[in-house]
Amino acid sequence: EAGVAQSPRYKIIEKRQSVAFWCNPISGHATLYWYQQILGQGPKLLIQFQNNGVVDDSQLPKDRFSAERLKGVDSTLKIQPAKLEDSAVYLCASSLRASGGGYTQYFGPGTRLTVL
Amino acid sequence: KQEVTQIPAALSVPEGENLVLNCSFTDSAIYNLQWFRQDPGKGLTSLLLIQSSQREQTSGRLNASLDKSSGRSTLYIAASQPGDSATYLCAVRDQGAQKLVFGQGTRLTINP
Repeated sequence: EAGVAQSPRYKIIEKRQSVAFWCNPISGHATLYWYQQILGQGPKLLIQFQNNGVVDDSQLPKDRFSAERLKGVDSTLKIQPAKLEDSAVYLCASSLRASGGGYTQYFGPGTRLTVL
Repeated sequence: KQEVTQIPAALSVPEGENLVLNCSFTDSAIYNLQWFRQDPGKGLTSLLLIQSSQREQTSGRLNASLDKSSGRSTLYIAASQPGDSATYLCAVRDQGAQKLVFGQGTRLTINP
């Protein structure tokens, strides 16, 4: 079974530029999560999708971050414009469902973003 | 608001030693607690998941315990090996919630 795929693996941009990350979850997984992990900290949930609907985006900085999962499969996370403090690893995870059996989250390798 | 703390932030031990990693959480109304492993440049791998009704879970050389009333969990690693070197993260899922709240992790180094 293929795991969660993310691209690019690394990205370096100047502040005020825009950037987009892509995630392809495990086939058949209805729930998709985007996390931000700043160096030395644990991951923080940015947004959770159930199929193509948003379940939780309470910690997403909506003035600059956006995410979509149009067909309920792959997803993109965008930052526009980027700030220095956005430098982090962006992790995507998926689970078969959001609760009960099949809730286990499987993580992708992440995208390391550096904002200069 | 749930807060998860892991102590120590970093730990270095010689190969073969048994060790304990600690995790504490502020709100005892949790649904479950999970321990993850993170290798450099890679995503997280789930090691053990303890439901709120359970006291411990074991997998190979790993044993995780949960004391919900005191807001604590420990991850015990027996007979440590250099391949155990990684960052270990604990995360809690609150009752009625779907998201995980992570601690900051413990970076473990096992010296040959």
